[in-house]
Amino acid sequence: GAVVSQHPSRVICKSGTSVKIECRSLDFQATTMFWYRQFPKQSLMLMATSNEGSKATYEQGVEKDKFLINHASLTLSTLTVTSAHPEDSSFYICSASRDQNEKLFFGSGTQLSVL
Amino acid sequence: EDQVTQSPEALRLQEGESSSLNCSYTVSGLRGLFWYRQDPGKGPEFLFTLYSAGEEKEKERLKATLTKKESFLHITAPKPEDSATYLCAVPSGGYQKVTFGIGTKLQVIP
Repeated sequence: GAVVSQHPSRVICKSGTSVKIECRSLDFQATTMFWYRQFPKQSLMLMATSNEGSKATYEQGVEKDKFLINHASLTLSTLTVTSAHPEDSSFYICSASRDQNEKLFFGSGTQLSVL
Repeated sequence: EDQVTQSPEALRLQEGESSSLNCSYTVSGLRGLFWYRQDPGKGPEFLFTLYSAGEEKEKERLKATLTKKESFLHITAPKPEDSATYLCAVPSGGYQKVTFGIGTKLQVIP
């Protein structure tokens, strides 16, 4: 089956630093990947759609300058949380599918803790 | 705006005690409904896709059903390893953009 790999699984950083999270599709090419955020006891919320070779599309209320997305190849998308603050602490999850009419596969998630 | 509501938020079962989880949805044209399982600190793991009312799918102790307004995830004779949060989701504004419910946290006690 399709596998989506996400790294790192956990990161702790100081306030004001930037953190990069990688998402890779291991056995298929993904022109589109998705980044979700999940706060405790809340549902997954879509943050942005990452498009290979073009700019990401951000959901309403998500700051594009704070959450930088780069989708430089068909198997890799990165999310950089810039100048992280404690309120950015959350569980970030990426996803992708083999084609637009198929279910999404999810990465294992990254728990970000900003001190 | 598409909405997904799951109930109950939490469910505690004895091993072997069958039950059902509910997912009700409001969408402008259903293109499918997904069930995922999420373990603590992990990403969601795909379970089922249902496409039309009346459809049913089974996997081990799990059976998912779909009507025009809701979906049920039936768990028959659950085991402790079935303990997880079960998420329901619908495609929203495109098949790959998905709206999730808050999930049902299931705990199965030995």
